[in-house]
Amino acid sequence: GENVEQHPSTLSVQEGDSAVIKCTYSDSASNYFPWYKQELGKRPQLIIDIRSNVGEKKDQRIAVTLNKTAKHFSLHITETQPEDSAVYFCAANINFGNEKLTFGTGTRLTIIP
Amino acid sequence: DVKVTQSSRYLVKRTGEKVFLECVQDMDHENMFWYRQDPGLGLRLIYFSYDVKMKEKGDIPEGYSVSREKKERFSLILESASTNQTSMYLCASSLRLAAYFTGELFFGEGSRLTVL
Repeated sequence: GENVEQHPSTLSVQEGDSAVIKCTYSDSASNYFPWYKQELGKRPQLIIDIRSNVGEKKDQRIAVTLNKTAKHFSLHITETQPEDSAVYFCAANINFGNEKLTFGTGTRLTIIP
Repeated sequence: DVKVTQSSRYLVKRTGEKVFLECVQDMDHENMFWYRQDPGLGLRLIYFSYDVKMKEKGDIPEGYSVSREKKERFSLILESASTNQTSMYLCASSLRLAAYFTGELFFGEGSRLTVL
């Protein structure tokens, strides 16, 4: 089955600096890579996703990059703010007609004011 | 706005008890999922369903079963609860898109189960 590894498990960043979270996946057939944000006590919510036909996608201060050859993808958050503090999960799909997502183990991001 | 509702936010059960976790979504989504969330282990898929009465095992189905009798409702059943099933359980749903396209997951608030 699909295996998704995520690093680092915890990350502390000074407010205003950038944060980068990295994930690797094992199934070369995967074609969809979302990122979910889970604030304390809340449900995970999709913040950005990328499909395998593009290498980068941006949405304001967040961006995701994908390297299909190396089978890794990364989340980049620029100009970090206190509200960016949360647990972030990467995921990858299994591409055989179903829509199962395998998640990474999560990164707890803390923004230091 | 998609709403995924889990019937119980907090449950405390005893070892050996049968436990039902209910999930209802109101957006006519075809796909429904049960995940388990544990610190350091992320979100692990227990079971999913892509249609009424259909179910498929996820990565950790042992000790669990599911039921989907209606499109909007997906139930997770612990036949005989054990202490290692103490966890946060998250239900999710997604819309069926075109072939080979995976849709956004919409999660419920979670059900925190403690088994004593």
